[in-house]
Amino acid sequence: ILNVEQSPQSLHVQEGDSTNFTCSFPSSNFYALHWYRWETAKSPEALFVMTLNGDEKKKGRISATLNTKEGYSYLYIKGSQPEDSATYLCAFSVNRDDKIIFGKGTRLHILP
Amino acid sequence: EPEVTQTPSHQVTQMGQEVILRCVPISNHLYFYWYRQILGQKVEFLVSFYNNEISEKSEIFDDQFSVERPDGSNFTLKIRSTKLEDSAMYFCASSWRGGGFEQFFGPGTRLTVL
Repeated sequence: ILNVEQSPQSLHVQEGDSTNFTCSFPSSNFYALHWYRWETAKSPEALFVMTLNGDEKKKGRISATLNTKEGYSYLYIKGSQPEDSATYLCAFSVNRDDKIIFGKGTRLHILP
Repeated sequence: EPEVTQTPSHQVTQMGQEVILRCVPISNHLYFYWYRQILGQKVEFLVSFYNNEISEKSEIFDDQFSVERPDGSNFTLKIRSTKLEDSAMYFCASSWRGGGFEQFFGPGTRLTVL
């Protein structure tokens, strides 16, 4: 069974602090790893798509790393801001299948 | 910036009724998808569609479900006879390339079956 696990489920972070959370996935037949940010009542927004082991991507204060051999990815947020409050979804695809398989997400709350 | 749109944002229906959920994908995209999220659970893949036919579907996507691209812009999901367990948020997505490439999601339609 192809399963994506994310931890923690929920996280409270003081504004200005940095934080990170984890996504783990099966490493066999890996094709791509996706991170999405999802704010309530909005579309899930694509943050990163990564395919290569050791890949590291950055978008402003948010960055992500990928380890395909051990099957994990980290998402980092530097200097959290209130607008970072959202659910962060990790998903992966295998064998160039069309579907992407999602984790349950990490719900991030930024405290003022 | 181009975006995927979905209508309606919320649909309430009686069990056994047919519903059609509508999506307008990003205009130059070629691959289209439906996903759903039952409250408290993971987002689950339902179906992908390319070149006017289904390219992949999950075991959830049984005979009660169908998809159609009736014109050059809309992509629809029909549920023929809704069940209580079909209550979920349904997301449409599109991409210009298949094979697990970056997919752009709409805001979802919340379907409530009574």
